Amino acid sequence: ELKVEQNPLFLSMQEGKNYTIYCNYSTTSDRLYWYRQDPGKSLESLFVLLSNGAVKQEGRLMASLDTKARLSTLHITAAVHDLSATYFCAVDNPLVFGKGTRLSVIA
Amino acid sequence: EAGVTQFPSHSVIEKGQTVTLRCDPISGHDNLYWYRRVMGKEIKFLLHFVKESKQDESGMPNNRFLAERTGGTYSTLKVQPAELEDSGVYFCASSQAGIEAFFGQGTRLTVV
Repeated sequence: ELKVEQNPLFLSMQEGKNYTIYCNYSTTSDRLYWYRQDPGKSLESLFVLLSNGAVKQEGRLMASLDTKARLSTLHITAAVHDLSATYFCAVDNPLVFGKGTRLSVIA
Repeated sequence: EAGVTQFPSHSVIEKGQTVTLRCDPISGHDNLYWYRRVMGKEIKFLLHFVKESKQDESGMPNNRFLAERTGGTYSTLKVQPAELEDSGVYFCASSQAGIEAFFGQGTRLTVV
């Protein structure tokens, strides 16, 4: 059974700082997704990673995938308050989700 | 282009009652998925339609849950009779080629 683990589950970070969210999964998969969810809103697709070594960047967020290590990272650069949300990684199809990382960016 | 829409956004029902959730996928998307997040747990897959056919319903918790997708357009998920443990947020998602799924805002179901 495919399992997806995210850490940390809660993250409070200061504006301007950098941090990384980790996503480990238990069995081989050829696709990994990162989603963002604001309270009461839908899951917004951030990145789709489809191959080993894939790296994608959008603004202050950068995601990477290492299929050999079964690991994806979501790196946050110079955090700003607008990035406060819950971030989910998910693997495979149908999607198997991690528990989510609740990010709070404080001044 | 309209996104995935779900109705209602919130529903509070008593144990033993019936509730029907609706999902309108993005037009032209053949794949439609239902997921559920129970309080404090992960988002879990329920089932997958390709057009009007159930491709995978391995995540459906029990026979109190019935999903339909008549004509391959919108989908409904009926819970009958509802139990307390059915409370959670029910998400619908759709995709065209099965690669990137777009989610609705979810229906928050509370069974009291």
